[in-house]
Amino acid sequence: RKEVEQDPGPFNVPEGATVAFNCTYSNSASQSFFWYRQDCRKEPKLLMSVYSSGNEDGRFTAQLNRASQYISLLIRDSKLSDSATYLCVVNRDSGGGADGLTFGKGTHLIIQP
Amino acid sequence: NAGVTQTPKFQVLKTGQSMTLQCAQDMNHNSMYWYRQDPGMGLRLIYYSASEGTTDKGEVPNGYNVSRLNKREFSLRLESAAPSQTSVYFCASRIFSGRLTYEQYFGPGTRLTVT
Repeated sequence: RKEVEQDPGPFNVPEGATVAFNCTYSNSASQSFFWYRQDCRKEPKLLMSVYSSGNEDGRFTAQLNRASQYISLLIRDSKLSDSATYLCVVNRDSGGGADGLTFGKGTHLIIQP
Repeated sequence: NAGVTQTPKFQVLKTGQSMTLQCAQDMNHNSMYWYRQDPGMGLRLIYYSASEGTTDKGEVPNGYNVSRLNKREFSLRLESAAPSQTSVYFCASRIFSGRLTYEQYFGPGTRLTVT
């Protein structure tokens, strides 16, 4: 099983729709989880951290399922500006190492007018 | 507060040439990272520096060297560039506490082409 796996898409979604995508991770010791957004030819930027209890930031909701080792991202009322690649990110170990985060290859989202 | 800055933004090299990519952060982060991103491959860690004075290899270190010049600056050197090193290079930094994992902040990237 790869460390972090995502469906690469693309997901083609009409404006205003709700879209969700999942990500699975292999390391059961991972403690920290994030969603990053990357626009074409730009650097990844933090979208939101993912907490055990789930968390919401405006139209975005992130959930964590430790038992099944997956995290999800839900986008409601999608906007054209949501078109981007969404990277699932998991820390490499239980937090004791400095070698950073493991990035999924990303899910490409296209919002269509 | 500029965050993470990288120079140059674009570079074209001939096979065998050398160059150094510069990265600096002004957020007082202790850990810094170099990644490369290729189509279909995602971000791959080249080298990292947990703190000033230390550096360690990541997944794909061959063909690269790094220097952590001080807390702010972390450079990546290609001694003899090869076409396989054509990629987009991102520098990142974060706080490393040993217990908690904080998010990373990325620079704008360097687009390198080796012909």
